[in-house]
Amino acid sequence: LAKTTQPISMDSYEGQEVNITCSHNNIATNDYITWYQQFPSQGPRFIIQGYKTKVTNEVASLFIPADRKSSTLSLPRVSLSDTAVYYCLVGDRGLKSSGDKLTFGTGTRLAVRP
Amino acid sequence: DTAVSQTPKYLVTQMGNDKSIKCEQNLGHDTMYWYKQDSKKFLKIMFSYNNKELIINETVPNRFSPKSPDKAHLNLHINSLELGDSAVYFCASSFPGTGGTGELFFGEGSRLTVL
Repeated sequence: LAKTTQPISMDSYEGQEVNITCSHNNIATNDYITWYQQFPSQGPRFIIQGYKTKVTNEVASLFIPADRKSSTLSLPRVSLSDTAVYYCLVGDRGLKSSGDKLTFGTGTRLAVRP
Repeated sequence: DTAVSQTPKYLVTQMGNDKSIKCEQNLGHDTMYWYKQDSKKFLKIMFSYNNKELIINETVPNRFSPKSPDKAHLNLHINSLELGDSAVYFCASSFPGTGGTGELFFGEGSRLTVL
């Protein structure tokens, strides 16, 4: 399973764009990259998933370079409510595959200030 | 309507006791999981069931025994509780991935404190 490395913490101010980078040097061909958000006292919540290039949804964008050894979660114009822990996961979830062992790393604790 | 619900939300008990945490999902998913989040916020998978069949057991002590009476329920029973079992336990569910990581839906967690 590809191991991920993220910054432990980041600080930002309201209205700024935040980019959180995740390294996954030994990502496998069939692996996808998924990001989750976790607020205190809640379970993680799916944000975005991608395989290559760029994916965008109403919440965030995910940038994946051609070698796929890293990925960057981009949060446009953050607000105080975006203060949370963000987890990067890499894995292949074919039915009953060993990739079902989705492992969350330490995550990045984002603090958004007024 | 809560998609993945866990009970109880908080559990305080003494060492050596036996306790259970229940989980139910109404999303029609085939796969359910138990994760443990310790004080350092590491979130580690413990078990995974697909259609009531155990498919992942991540070197969890035998004191932990999951039970899945049907694919909508996955309960966790813990025998002889130890101080190190104190953590937040999350239940999650998903469809089996047809490619990539199937989105996980988590419950709100059950905070277990062993005294």
